[in-house]
This record gives sequence, C-alpha cells and structure tokens, in this order.
Amino acid sequence: QKEVEQNSGPLSVPEGAIASLNCTYSDRGSQSFFWYRQYSGKSPELIMSIYSNGDKEDGRFTAQLNKASQYVSLLIRDSQPSDSATYLCAVNEGGTYKYIFGTGTRLKVLA
Amino acid sequence: DVKVTQSSRYLVKRTGEKVFLECVQDMDHENMFWYRQDPGLGLRLIYFSYDVKMKEKGDIPEGYSVSREKKERFSLILESASTNQTSMYLCASRVGGAYNEQFFGPGTRLTVL
Repeated sequence: QKEVEQNSGPLSVPEGAIASLNCTYSDRGSQSFFWYRQYSGKSPELIMSIYSNGDKEDGRFTAQLNKASQYVSLLIRDSQPSDSATYLCAVNEGGTYKYIFGTGTRLKVLA
Repeated sequence: DVKVTQSSRYLVKRTGEKVFLECVQDMDHENMFWYRQDPGLGLRLIYFSYDVKMKEKGDIPEGYSVSREKKERFSLILESASTNQTSMYLCASRVGGAYNEQFFGPGTRLTVL
C-alpha cells in the first residue's frame, strides 16, 4: 500500500515565524509532488508543485524535495493568521495517473 | 484563470435516491477526477476520466458510476444513495499527463438521510 504520511498537528506557530510542514512518501517511483492548502469547509487550493530535488521558492513559500530520503517539506515564512489551514501533501503514484494524498497537517498561526 | 465548478455546494437526499453530481471545467483539460473526503481518511479517488467517454475506477468505485460525454463535463452518479455516502465530494481536473497539477472545484457537501 503506497502511502503519504503527514503529522496531523495542530502545528502552532506565532505570527511572523517560519512554519515547517513535513511529508514522507513510500513510492520511490513518484516524480511529482504538490502542496495544497485547505481552509475549513473549502476545497484544496494548489500552492506549490515541485519535481526536482532541492528548493523551490514562491513568495513566502518554499518547497523542498529530497527523493533519496523520500521527503517533501513546505516552509512558510512570515506566517500570518490567514495561513491557518490544513496543508495537504500529494504525490503522484509512479507509473499511474493517480495521486496519493496525505491526510494533512493543521497549521494554526497565533496572532 | 483556472475554473472548475460543481453543480451544488450543499445537497440533502434520501436513502435510495439516485443522485447526480456535476462538474464543469473551462480549461480544456483532458483529465478529470472525482474524490470524496472524510475526516481522518483524507481524499479517496472514486473515478478518473482521461478523455471523453473514457473512465477508470479509482480506489472506492462501489456504489458510484460516472459519465463523461463532453470534455468539459464529468458527472458522478450515486445509483442508490446510502447513509455511508454522506461526504464532501470534490471534482478536479488537469492537463493530460501524470505529472501535472490538479485543480479542484469548490466541493459538494452531500448528506444522505
């Protein structure tokens, strides 16, 4: 059974701090990796995609990928209360059309 | 701008009813998906369509069927709704290709009484 693991949280950080969200995956054939943000009662919204080892930055967000360790992370700099949401990690299942989603980490940014 | 719409945000149905959930995307995407999301279980794939009239079962297809007669529209059908199908239903689409991003619609919260 291929899996994507995330700590469910909640992860609480003070406003202005860096939030670090982590995800591990089991399928070594995975080639594409995504982070989604989901507010309570809403649908997931894509915030980052990453395909190569290393860092990818977009505004306050940085995604980090280490395929050897099967590890993906998302850093949120200068965290704001509006960043409070559940963050879903998604990984494509190697050789198929499917994505495997983690169950998400709930982030709380305290004002 | 990416746009995926779903026919209803909230829906209440009775056990045994036939239920239709519709999803429309305006991005000319080849691939479309139906998921359900339940607390603690995450997103689970019900069905996938990789092109018009083409479909594949996902992880939990039992009790569901789908229809894709036009590229922009993907329908999920609950043949005979049951209480265990109460859930949030999410439609997504993407450009064809296994590595591309999926974009989600707003979701339909279905309650089966």
